[in-house]
Amino acid sequence: NAGVTQTPKFRVLKTGQSMTLLCAQDMNHEYMYWYRQDPGMGLRLIHYSVGEGTTAKGEVPDGYNVSRLKKQNFLLGLESAAPSQTSVYFCASCPRGENGYTFGSGTRLTVV
Amino acid sequence: SQQGEEDPQALSIQEGENATMNCSYKTSINNLQWYRQNSGRGLVHLILIRSNEREKHSGRLRVTLDTSKKSSSLLITASRAADTASYFCAIPYNQGGKLIFGQGTELSVKP
Repeated sequence: NAGVTQTPKFRVLKTGQSMTLLCAQDMNHEYMYWYRQDPGMGLRLIHYSVGEGTTAKGEVPDGYNVSRLKKQNFLLGLESAAPSQTSVYFCASCPRGENGYTFGSGTRLTVV
Repeated sequence: SQQGEEDPQALSIQEGENATMNCSYKTSINNLQWYRQNSGRGLVHLILIRSNEREKHSGRLRVTLDTSKKSSSLLITASRAADTASYFCAIPYNQGGKLIFGQGTELSVKP
């Protein structure tokens, strides 16, 4: 039982490049989330999903796209990376209802 | 903003002492959650306290919730060096299980 697995753990991108961050959970959770964490800004919600095939915008969605084709996977895409997207990205999941999140270990992304 | 605000921002104590962190929020909530984040790691869920609960315990952790004051506190008793981490409160908002996190309290426990 691995919980929430994020890949890759580290990545350096050049401005304008694209990439996809993968989040996989093996707990059969309905809800999944992508947050970014920046110094002094706390965690901010980028996009989220309440079930397979559904996605919705969070607090800071611009420059990102997501997909949830399978219940266990939630992908975060950067179409054209910008230095402002340098951050640590966390994926989280939880069951439906009032429950705590299970977080992945994060992806540290640097855009140069 | 409904964001929880933690106080203090940083706390340094000696091993064996108790650590208290506070969280204030602005609107009505169904529950409030506390998380821990060790340096360079993901957040770990500690406790969820519902709006009809005033106090909840988990090992050396004690969480209180005062809905009339819109505040919560996290008490860690008999702290250990391994408790060194950042602690965040999180408030649900809107639908879809979304949480908004505070800025966190950075706790340092010195051996």
